[in-house]
Amino acid sequence: DIQMTQSPSSVSASVGDRVIITCRASQGISSWLAWYQQKPGKAPKLLIYTSSSLQSGVPSRFSGSGSGTDFTLTINSLQPEDFATYYCQQSSTYPLTFGGGTEVEIK
Amino acid sequence: EGELVESGGDLVQPGGSLRLSCAASGFTFSNYWMTWLRQAPGRGLEWVANINQDGTAKNYVDSVKGRFTISRDNAKNSLYLQMNSLNTEDTAVYYCAPYSSYGWLDPWGQGTLVTVSS
Repeated sequence: DIQMTQSPSSVSASVGDRVIITCRASQGISSWLAWYQQKPGKAPKLLIYTSSSLQSGVPSRFSGSGSGTDFTLTINSLQPEDFATYYCQQSSTYPLTFGGGTEVEIK
Repeated sequence: EGELVESGGDLVQPGGSLRLSCAASGFTFSNYWMTWLRQAPGRGLEWVANINQDGTAKNYVDSVKGRFTISRDNAKNSLYLQMNSLNTEDTAVYYCAPYSSYGWLDPWGQGTLVTVSS
C-alpha cells in the first residue's frame, strides 16, 4: 500500500497568514493526488485534484503543487472559514489512501 | 450539483450485520464509479470499497474483504454496502461519493454512523 504522510499534523495560524501543508507518498504517484477540507461534524470537501487543479467554486487562495512523491497545499491569506482539517489522497494505486490530516487552528 | 444521502447506520453487536444505502441525485449516477469511505471517531479517512458503473468490477480494502459487499442499482440511483461479521474496529461514520476517472471523490454525502458495540 502507498503510505501518505502529511506534515505538520497541526499548525496554528492567524487570519491573513500563508499556510503550507506537505504530503509525501511512499512511492511515486505522478500527479494522482487530491486535497480535501473537512470541518468538524461535516463531510470532506474537494479542494484540489490532479495535484494542482482547483475544484470549481473553491477560492483561488488555495493552490496545490507537486508530482512524484512530494506535494504541497498552500493557503494564501488565511480566512476565518479556512480553519479546518486538510487531507491529501492518492489515487495512483489501490487501495486509495489518505494522509493523516493537518489541523489548521486559530492562533 | 450532485447530492448523496446515506442511511442505514445503527448500533449493532459484534458479529452482526448491517446494510447501508446511499441515494444519489443531481448527476448521472450510472456514469460513475461509486465509493464507500469511513472515518472512525476522532480519526482520519479510510477508503473502504468502490464499484464500477455496471457493477462488474469491485475493489475493497484488505480489512473488509470477505465481510463487506458493495453493490448498486442504477435504476434506483442507489449504492449499497452489506456489512457482515462486524467488529468494533468497523465503528465509524460511513460516507459515499462518486469516484472520477481522474481519481477524486466529489461530492460526499453527510455520512451515516455505524457503532459496533456490545
